Amino acid sequence: GNSVTQMEGPVTLSEEAFLTINCTYTATGYPSLFWYVQYPGEGLQLLLKATKADDKGSNKGFEATYRKETTSFHLEKGSVQVSDSAVYFCALTTSNTGNQFYFGTGTSLTVIP
Amino acid sequence: GAVVSQHPSRVICKSGTSVKIECRSLDFQATTMFWYRQFPKQSLMLMATSNEGSKATYEQGVEKDKFLINHASLTLSTLTVTSAHPEDSSFYICSATGDREHQPQHFGDGTRLSIL
Repeated sequence: GNSVTQMEGPVTLSEEAFLTINCTYTATGYPSLFWYVQYPGEGLQLLLKATKADDKGSNKGFEATYRKETTSFHLEKGSVQVSDSAVYFCALTTSNTGNQFYFGTGTSLTVIP
Repeated sequence: GAVVSQHPSRVICKSGTSVKIECRSLDFQATTMFWYRQFPKQSLMLMATSNEGSKATYEQGVEKDKFLINHASLTLSTLTVTSAHPEDSSFYICSATGDREHQPQHFGDGTRLSIL
């Protein structure tokens, strides 16, 4: 079946530290992969996506590379800011799921000055 | 980018009241809309999937008579929590997507429902 396993949090980093949030997946069919960010009290915002193997999604300094060989889509940022504090969700969809998404459990990130 | 508007953002009401939440896609046609429920510090739980003009498909364990979903147009879906009780208090989030495969879901800002 389809599932997403995400690194458990919470994660606390100092400003300008390097961030990695691990995400691995299992999928029937050929998935597209996404990272969403949720700020307190808000819905989810699409952060980045990748639709095929070796694609790199990037946005606002965040990057993630679609690794088919390791079934992974780890989120990275070279220098985090306080404003990056949020919950991050990894997700996938496949062509045989009627646009349904499968979400990881979310990773809470707190960046301290 | 694609915008989804969800209204209201917060509702506080008495037990036994029915509450309607609207989800609108403002700049694209949403072939499919999803309704999620999110408990504190947890991931999203898919409640139901609705396609325009069709009956919603509910996930196992979600009462369709309790959570009425209507997707009457390509830009509007509504979730009505009927005869709400305190255990229905939660954060409800809608999302919408178009008809092409592998498109991202675009989310509303969520509705905080509190039943007294």
